[in-house]
Amino acid sequence: DAGVIQSPRHEVTEMGQEVTLRCKPISGHNSLFWYRQTMMRGLELLIYFNNNVPIDDSGMPEDRFSAKMPNASFSTLKIQPSEPRDSAVYFCASSLGGYAPNQPQHFGDGTRLSIL
Amino acid sequence: RKEVEQDPGPFNVPEGATVAFNCTYSNSASQSFFWYRQDCRKEPKLLMSVYSSGNEDGRFTAQLNRASQYISLLIRDSKLSDSATYLCVVNSDYKLSFGAGTTVTVRA
Repeated sequence: DAGVIQSPRHEVTEMGQEVTLRCKPISGHNSLFWYRQTMMRGLELLIYFNNNVPIDDSGMPEDRFSAKMPNASFSTLKIQPSEPRDSAVYFCASSLGGYAPNQPQHFGDGTRLSIL
Repeated sequence: RKEVEQDPGPFNVPEGATVAFNCTYSNSASQSFFWYRQDCRKEPKLLMSVYSSGNEDGRFTAQLNRASQYISLLIRDSKLSDSATYLCVVNSDYKLSFGAGTTVTVRA
């Protein structure tokens, strides 16, 4: 079974550049989550979509970050302009039933982002 | 105060030993609980859900104490492959909160 698929696996770019991260959730899952993980702050929820609609974006750091989910099988997280402090591992996760209790989330392999 | 707190460890144990650690959560209305495992430079993976009555999955036992607001994980007969960071995850107000993780290293 295909899990959550993220691309690229690694991204190195210079500050000021636009970065686009991509995610394909598990087929049939109707909820999608974007997380950021750093040593200092751990795993932080950035945004949550349910049935392609953004439900909770309170974790999005600032206007430089945006996320879209144009259909049930694809989502993007964009950073423009990027800054060195955005360097982190970005995970996408999907689940059945959103935040419904007892519904675990399944994570992609993550994108390791380095902003120079 | 963080929503979910864990002892970061590391817990260094010999193969075959038993290791146990806790996680505390701040929201008494939390609805569901999980343990995830994360290997170095890998994604978090669901290890097990935690049920009110406690539950076992092979060598792993999870307990929930709602009165004291903590969750525990016990690993029996530890294997080298159990070396990882274990993340406590709490569902509160329909939002998952992750602990920073407890690192376990099993040595031969």
